[in-house]
Amino acid sequence: GAVVSQHPSWVICKSGTSVKIECRSLDFQATTMFWYRQFPKQSLMLMATSNEGSKATYEQGVEKDKFLINHASLTLSTLTVTSAHPEDSSFYICSASDDPNEKLFFGSGTQLSVL
Amino acid sequence: GNSVTQMEGPVTLSEEAFLTINCTYTATGYPSLFWYVQYPGEGLQLLLKATKADDKGSNKGFEATYRKETTSFHLEKGSVQVSDSAVYFCAYQGAQKLVFGQGTRLTINP
Repeated sequence: GAVVSQHPSWVICKSGTSVKIECRSLDFQATTMFWYRQFPKQSLMLMATSNEGSKATYEQGVEKDKFLINHASLTLSTLTVTSAHPEDSSFYICSASDDPNEKLFFGSGTQLSVL
Repeated sequence: GNSVTQMEGPVTLSEEAFLTINCTYTATGYPSLFWYVQYPGEGLQLLLKATKADDKGSNKGFEATYRKETTSFHLEKGSVQVSDSAVYFCAYQGAQKLVFGQGTRLTINP
């Protein structure tokens, strides 16, 4: 099946710094990528939908200036957590599809810890 | 609002035991329903799905039936194996977006 690679798998950073997470579709072109976050014992919550070559669509309550999403190519989307704070510590996971109405493929997730 | 509620884990069973993980949803209309599985160190994978009422999704010995009357999509397996140890997520698709439950961690002991 299709593979989505997400890096890094875990990252620890100091408060105030920025962290970039990459999501790559390895064997298909992903016209749409989704970014989720999950707090312990809670659901995966959709943060934003990114379409190649256009601005991301953010869900209500998600700060677009804090969570910068770039989908510059059909195989790569990046999520940058700017000026990270301890409350941003969470599990971030991406998913990709070559058709938003078809099957989604997920990355293995990134555990972010902000000290 | 729309939501998915699934059995709170963790769930620990012995090999060959019967498994049920409950899932109920709140949504308008007739969304497609899914079970995703996440094995240790891997991304979420689609396990099975059902797209309309009374449909039964099945894969790898797992089954789930779309019950409109009870708004449920419980996951079952007759005889679990150690390799089934993973986190299971129930989800529905509404407005081209997936809404997930909180996940249920399943551990199968030999």
